[in-house]
Amino acid sequence: AQSVTQPDIHITVSEGASLELRCNYSYGATPYLFWYVQSPGQGLQLLLKYFSGDTLVQGIKGFEAEFKRSQSSFNLRKPSVHWSDAAEYFCAVHYNNDMRFGAGTRLTVKP
Amino acid sequence: DGGITQSPKYLFRKEGQNVTLSCEQNLNHDAMYWYRQDPGQGLRLIYYSQIVNDFQKGDIAEGYSVSREKKESFPLTVTSAQKNPTAFYLCASSKTGGYTGELFFGEGSRLTVL
Repeated sequence: AQSVTQPDIHITVSEGASLELRCNYSYGATPYLFWYVQSPGQGLQLLLKYFSGDTLVQGIKGFEAEFKRSQSSFNLRKPSVHWSDAAEYFCAVHYNNDMRFGAGTRLTVKP
Repeated sequence: DGGITQSPKYLFRKEGQNVTLSCEQNLNHDAMYWYRQDPGQGLRLIYYSQIVNDFQKGDIAEGYSVSREKKESFPLTVTSAQKNPTAFYLCASSKTGGYTGELFFGEGSRLTVL
C-alpha cells in the first residue's frame, strides 16, 4: 500500500543547532513531494516542494530538502534552528491524484 | 490579500446536533478539500471538489456532507451520524484538481462535542 512515514514523532534541538527531519514514502514511481509546517492552532504552510530536476530544493525560512530516489526519502534540513521554528512538520506526497500526509514530527527548540 | 477563510475558529456542539463549518476562498482555485486532523494521525481527507456542483468522498466521508454551489465556497456539515466528531478541521484549495498536490490551507476550525 502507498504510504508516507515520518519516523520521528517528536524531536528536540537546541537553538542554533542543525536539524534533519526524516520522510520516507512507498510508491512505485516518484511522486510529487512536499513539506508543510503548522504552528499550533493554525493551518499548514508550504515550506518547499519537489516535482522533478535538481534533487536538492530550497524553501522558505531557510529550509531545504533532498530527494533520494534510491532511499525513497525526502528529508528536510536546516543548518541553524531558530526558536520560531518550533512547530509541527508534515511530509506529503502526491501521486496519480492521490495526496497523502505523514503523521507529522513535532519540533521543540531549546534555548 | 487572497486566501482561505474558515469559520468559526472554535465550535462546541452537543451530541446529536448537526454543525456546519464554513470555508471561503478568493484565490480563484478550482479544487477545494476538507481534511480532518487528529493528534498523531496527520491529515485525513473527508471530501474534495474539483469543480462547482461536483464533489467526491475521501477516505473518511461517513458522517459528513458537503456542497459546492459556488466556486468560492465549500461548506462541511458534521452530522449526528459522525461517531467521533471532536477534531481539528482544515479546508484547503488548489489551482487544479490535484494536478500537483500543492495545497493552500485555511487556519482551521476546532470542533468539540460536549
